[in-house]
Amino acid sequence: EAEVAQSPRYKITEKSQAVAFWCDPISGHATLYWYRQILGQGPELLVQFQDESVVDDSQLPKDRFSAERLKGVDSTLKIQPAELGDSAMYLCASSLHIISYNEQFFGPGTRLTVL
Amino acid sequence: DQQVKQNSPSLSVQEGRISILNCDYTNSMFDYFLWYKKYPAEGPTFLISISSIKDKNEDGRFTVFLNKSAKHLSLHIVPSQPGDSAVYFCAASANSGAGSYQLTFGKGTKLSVIP
Repeated sequence: EAEVAQSPRYKITEKSQAVAFWCDPISGHATLYWYRQILGQGPELLVQFQDESVVDDSQLPKDRFSAERLKGVDSTLKIQPAELGDSAMYLCASSLHIISYNEQFFGPGTRLTVL
Repeated sequence: DQQVKQNSPSLSVQEGRISILNCDYTNSMFDYFLWYKKYPAEGPTFLISISSIKDKNEDGRFTVFLNKSAKHLSLHIVPSQPGDSAVYFCAASANSGAGSYQLTFGKGTKLSVIP
């Protein structure tokens, strides 16, 4: 069964360092999402791509976060510099289309700990 | 302002009995609702969904009920099994205004099914 791949699964870094997360969506899925999930909360959308274009990044802290999906397939989310409050699970999801009833498939996530 | 609320952080149910997980929402523009299940160290997996034009959707042991006038939905699991123990997230979809649909998640309810 096709899955969303993410790496690394775990990342520990010191504050002010740069970190990067990678996501490979299910083949053929045009829409890709990055979410952040703080412990005890639900996932919150950071950025949404349709193919290689950003559809919505209104919740992305652009002073330190950046995301790209250059060829419209895999994607990278970067944080520079990392802050203590960035400790969270970073989830990538993909869907076939951008329409409302399209199920989103999630990857296993990257657990980030900032010391 | 939390648009999707799951007011019960946890729920314990005996194996074989019914589990009822509740979710309330405030945004009348939500047109599709989904339930996701999440095991520790894994990403959320899609469970069941319902369109806003329906009031019930059933899939095996899982049934979702939607009461639009009350802005309330619930997930029923009958009979509950130990493998159902997980965190359940309620999510709602609405047009983000940027031509895309986005999910808003609740904080989740941790279900424990006791053998």
